[in-house]
Amino acid sequence: DVQLVESGGGLIQPGGSLRLSCAAAGFSVSNNFMNWVRQAPGKGLEWVSVIYSTGTTYYADSVKGLFTVSRDTSKNTLFLQMNSLRPEDTAVYYCARALSLYYHAMDVWGQGTTVTVSS
Amino acid sequence: EILLTQSPATLSVSPGDRAILSCRASQTVSSSLAWYQRKPGQAPRLLVYGASTRATGIPARFSGSGSETEFTLTISSLQSEDFAVYYCQQYRNWPLTFGGGTKVEIK
Repeated sequence: DVQLVESGGGLIQPGGSLRLSCAAAGFSVSNNFMNWVRQAPGKGLEWVSVIYSTGTTYYADSVKGLFTVSRDTSKNTLFLQMNSLRPEDTAVYYCARALSLYYHAMDVWGQGTTVTVSS
Repeated sequence: EILLTQSPATLSVSPGDRAILSCRASQTVSSSLAWYQRKPGQAPRLLVYGASTRATGIPARFSGSGSETEFTLTISSLQSEDFAVYYCQQYRNWPLTFGGGTKVEIK
């Protein structure tokens, strides 16, 4: 069965760091285009980052230089390292697989993990 | 950044009726547009990609159309399970962007 399971969310103070994990089953994260998408309370969906099968990464301007996406092939897991967290980073974070490079629509999503940045 | 504007924000529809949702892009995205359904407490579900190709397992009552800057998602006969929020997303350019969503509610 194809699935994604996120973990690592929680309450963190502004300026702190957090690493989110996304464990995949039924397919390889290394052979796919893997994304992080978030949804802040009362807001819409916001794309955060992507890592290509080649290892190329892209980020939204709002997190560039602060967040880093990576993966561990042996664990078939995607990560999002979030540094210098701000209250506006409070959101539910989802990992999602894209269909392909050409069709970068996301067909498999995790259930999400909640990050709350507050003092 | 390509902005996606969805309309209406809320659509009140009776079960069995047709719903037409709109997504307008601030610049051309060709056919690089997807539609998602979102229910409370659930992850988004991919409905359509390539503007008009239904994703695996999506019922035929969902259909997408359009190109360049104007897109439409049509639900031909609303079922009870279709009441949800719908989002469009473009993947023509980075960053990927989503529309603000259309909530389809029971009339």
